[in-house]
Amino acid sequence: AQSVTQLGSHVSVSEGALVLLRCNYSSSVPPYLFWYVQYPNQGLQLLLKYTSAATLVKGINGFEAEFKKSETSFHLTKPSAHMSDAAEYFCAVSASGGYNKLIFGAGTRLAVHP
Amino acid sequence: GAVVSQHPSWVICKSGTSVKIECRSLDFQATTMFWYRQFPKQSLMLMATSNEGSKATYEQGVEKDKFLINHASLTLSTLTVTSAHPEDSSFYICSAYSRDGNFNYGYTFGSGTRLTVV
Repeated sequence: AQSVTQLGSHVSVSEGALVLLRCNYSSSVPPYLFWYVQYPNQGLQLLLKYTSAATLVKGINGFEAEFKKSETSFHLTKPSAHMSDAAEYFCAVSASGGYNKLIFGAGTRLAVHP
Repeated sequence: GAVVSQHPSWVICKSGTSVKIECRSLDFQATTMFWYRQFPKQSLMLMATSNEGSKATYEQGVEKDKFLINHASLTLSTLTVTSAHPEDSSFYICSAYSRDGNFNYGYTFGSGTRLTVV
């Protein structure tokens, strides 16, 4: 079975500051991990995914995440926040091999202030 | 990239009526479609998994007779909320699973449907 824990339901940063959104996973098999962003009343957009290749994954809009097996973590970072980054972010896990359902974390709302 | 078209984007219906939500995969075949429900300021909760040509698999606690899922083709899956009640009001999102010839796979989400039952 898989599960995801996102630490911090709300994160607030200043424009230009580092963004760090935390995600820890639990999985009985090698996991595939994803980060999605959701804007109000919209679907989910994939930021990046880890599928057992490089442990440092670069995504869109300057985001990246590092898979750390020893820490069972997959934290999302961005060096410099933009106002447009304000949204809801979800970490998700599926069992490796695909064809499996995505299990989502509770989400983290990112606020960016001037 | 892969696109999933979800319609309607919002719908208001009277209590007791049924509402159908469609998700179409454009330019790719979705062997599996996942249906999620999202309450305000909450995460996505998986309702069911549907595979083309077979019965959907529902998550525990989801009423299969209330949330009818049909996946008649590789490009179309529908969710029908039957005899809707105000507590069914929510944001429903579909997600299509696809895999290319290089075994790269992904989940493409629809834009969601805001259902309000009055």
